[in-house]
Amino acid sequence: ETGVTQTPRHLVMGMTNKKSLKCEQHLGHNAMYWYKQSAKKPLELMFVYSLEERVENNSVPSRFSPECPNSSHLFLHLHTLQPEDSALYLCASSQVGSGSTEAFFGQGTRLTVV
Amino acid sequence: TQLLEQSPQFLSIQEGENLTVYCNSSSVFSSLQWYRQEPGEGPVLLVTVVTGGEVKKLKRLTFQFGDARKDSSLHITAAQPGDTGLYLCAGGGARGAQKLVFGQGTRLTINP
Repeated sequence: ETGVTQTPRHLVMGMTNKKSLKCEQHLGHNAMYWYKQSAKKPLELMFVYSLEERVENNSVPSRFSPECPNSSHLFLHLHTLQPEDSALYLCASSQVGSGSTEAFFGQGTRLTVV
Repeated sequence: TQLLEQSPQFLSIQEGENLTVYCNSSSVFSSLQWYRQEPGEGPVLLVTVVTGGEVKKLKRLTFQFGDARKDSSLHITAAQPGDTGLYLCAGGGARGAQKLVFGQGTRLTINP
């Protein structure tokens, strides 16, 4: 596999469930990101991990909990979500320190909270 | 807060027509990228422009970065149904991809 891979592609969960989204990048990058994409809104940056340390948390509710065990893997743990959290969740990676501003995205997980 | 405004937000045209999508800001960016996103997929990087006034061509797509590095445009010549998708511009700053600012997107539909 190449690029950035996200699983699952689709997820339906109840408000009391706990689930996790997984992201794996095969590009040798040293930074990974979680974005939320809702209808009619710009992409919202949620979390940034650079060199496996969380460097950004854009006021995301605690019901979203990221984990970055190594530079290739990123998780987003979900618990007690609300219906308004339904969205496309995108993972991305980039190479920090190279001067590049390019981010490479996975295919996303379409999350529906019922 | 840096913002990027894209216009138009929606555009539906016939195959073979030309179109231009704009991405504007009051802020200066060190680079600007254009992505295309198809339904149910993640954004795919099309191009990065880094120099004020820079023009890049990708087949029938022409991208331009404004002289002041505050705006950009995407021009498509002889649009085809395969060009249909959501086009996103994103501005990068000193912290590179860690602080990308995205526009809200232009949803383009090319009708056969």
